Amino acid sequence: NAGVTQTPKFRVLKTGQSMTLLCAQDMNHEYMYWYRQDPGMGLRLIHYSVGEGTTAKGEVPDGYNVSRLKKQNFLLGLESAAPSQTSVYFCASSYSQGMDIQYFGAGTRLSVL
Amino acid sequence: QKEVEQDPGPLSVPEGAIVSLNCTYSNSAFQYFMWYRQYSRKGPELLMYTYSSGNKEDGRFTAQVDKSSKYISLFIRDSQPSDSATYLCAMSAPRHGNQFYFGTGTSLTVIP
Repeated sequence: NAGVTQTPKFRVLKTGQSMTLLCAQDMNHEYMYWYRQDPGMGLRLIHYSVGEGTTAKGEVPDGYNVSRLKKQNFLLGLESAAPSQTSVYFCASSYSQGMDIQYFGAGTRLSVL
Repeated sequence: QKEVEQDPGPLSVPEGAIVSLNCTYSNSAFQYFMWYRQYSRKGPELLMYTYSSGNKEDGRFTAQVDKSSKYISLFIRDSQPSDSATYLCAMSAPRHGNQFYFGTGTSLTVIP
């Protein structure tokens, strides 16, 4: 059972380039999330989805777009990468709302030069 | 003011020590309280969770919630080198789309 899988694990971009981070979960979870983790800032929610075809903004959505075309996949896009987007990105999923465990992927380390 | 405040440490203790990790929060609507453990270059994994106030024990780990003081704690008894990690507190409130608010994490090293 793979749980939550993120690809790629590492990426280096130049300013202005675009890329898509993929998150896949095999637990049939309804909810999926994208976070970024920066030193001294903790985990901050970028966007989340409460079901297939739905997305919503989190705490720090600017500069990112997301799509949830299939229940098991949640994509995070950077249209024009900026150095401020250098971070570690984590995807998470949970079964339902309220008190429910969020399961995290191993993360994607992104550097924007 | 941040929703959740957590002392980043780092915290270094000898093997066998009792460790106390703490978070404070400002939003009285928080009902669910969690502790995640994150090893270096890994994703966070859930360690403990509690609902509302009270204590919860699981092996060497005890989670405490004091809603009146807006203060939560994680105690680790008989700490082991394998406990060396960053510990993140997290909390959420009903009707907030299951949005979790995380502390910045406390880095713990247990010295053999």
